[in-house]
Amino acid sequence: DAGVTQSPTHLIKTRGQQVTLRCSPISGHKSVSWYQQVLGQGPQFIFQYYEKEERGRGNFPDRFSARQFPNYSSELNVNALLLGDSALYLCASSLVTGEADTQYFGPGTRLTVL
Amino acid sequence: GNSVTQMEGPVTLSEEAFLTINCTYTATGYPSLFWYVQYPGEGLQLLLKATKADDKGSNKGFEATYRKETTSFHLEKGSVQVSDSAVYFCALSDPTSGTYKYIFGTGTRLKVLA
Repeated sequence: DAGVTQSPTHLIKTRGQQVTLRCSPISGHKSVSWYQQVLGQGPQFIFQYYEKEERGRGNFPDRFSARQFPNYSSELNVNALLLGDSALYLCASSLVTGEADTQYFGPGTRLTVL
Repeated sequence: GNSVTQMEGPVTLSEEAFLTINCTYTATGYPSLFWYVQYPGEGLQLLLKATKADDKGSNKGFEATYRKETTSFHLEKGSVQVSDSAVYFCALSDPTSGTYKYIFGTGTRLKVLA
């Protein structure tokens, strides 16, 4: 079975631009979470969606937004890019959202803001 | 708030040496605990997990036991290989607001020398 897929793999943008990152979950998984991993750090939670509804949001500015589509794929949008947004953006999927439910991560999208 | 603390890296070992990477957590309630591994240029791969106190997770020779009394989930392997060189992340699932988002440690880089 295919794992979590993300596109694009790499992206280079300039300050002030907008970017859209895409994620396709494992087949049958209904929950998608987004994380930001700055170089040398652990991933930080951005959003979680389940059945197209936002379930949670981390401590990120309103420039960050996301949505989940009827096929459970998801997009993460970042507006007015700052240099500090340069990071690896990870998408994770899980069957549902629950205590013991394991999140499976995709390979990530490497965003560089110049 | 909930948090995860990992030992500082890098950890450098010779092949076939014993590995321990320390992880302690602070959490309300009894979260599930995870170890993920990240190889260079890749996303996170689930290594093992434990969902309740005294559970032992194991995979590919790696083990970790959920210790409620010491709030720890240390990763161990009896004999490391060069191919184990990677960054290891300890994480807990945080049930705050029903999202069960993951909170990660800062990661521990392991380097195994032939």
